[in-house]
Amino acid sequence: DQQVKQNSPSLSVQEGRISILNCDYTNSMFDYFLWYKKYPAEGPTFLISISSIKDKNEDGRFTVFLNKSAKHLSLHIVPSQPGDSAVYFCAASDKRAGGYQKVTFGIGTKLQVIP
Amino acid sequence: NAGVTQTPKFRILKIGQSMTLQCAQDMNHNYMYWYRQDPGMGLKLIYYSVGAGITDKGEVPNGYNVSRSTTEDFPLRLELAAPSQTSVYFCASTLVGAANYGYTFGSGTRLTVV
Repeated sequence: DQQVKQNSPSLSVQEGRISILNCDYTNSMFDYFLWYKKYPAEGPTFLISISSIKDKNEDGRFTVFLNKSAKHLSLHIVPSQPGDSAVYFCAASDKRAGGYQKVTFGIGTKLQVIP
Repeated sequence: NAGVTQTPKFRILKIGQSMTLQCAQDMNHNYMYWYRQDPGMGLKLIYYSVGAGITDKGEVPNGYNVSRSTTEDFPLRLELAAPSQTSVYFCASTLVGAANYGYTFGSGTRLTVV
């Protein structure tokens, strides 16, 4: 049961344009959503998060939008730069017994920014 | 600031062999995690720890064991390696359990079982 889905395995965007990465989820109990970026041969790096009670969070060139009714979130990168070329993982967390936050990851979308 | 350090980076094991994947963090984080990533899949949680002396199973714990004797170290033990354990293993840590702060990941260990 894939609770966090990234349906686009790859995306190519011209430098300077907007990159939009999408993520859908099925579990209405998720309370936080996160995006991670991963370069080859490195571990994932935390990018940005959003609480389920918000609909937008912005950090520099990165903005995450949350549409709870559609169970959909997206990451916008504006403007896209060649250094943004990486695999982007969507993740979602829900609180379990004892205060532990279980994090579920999507399979990732590979972004290529073309100079 | 080293962050999360994993060793080794690469390893080839024969079926039935054992090994320990090392993970150390120098950020005084309470929470530590082991994930595996198979090709075309998301990260799956193997084990986690909320502090020294406390560990618990994640989604895919079979075939693995962990210990947490200190805040800094969280080794992952494979006792009888099987081809199904071929994967990339990531260790992560966070100061508190709130996931909105994000995890700090190590650079991974690529394990092949032949």
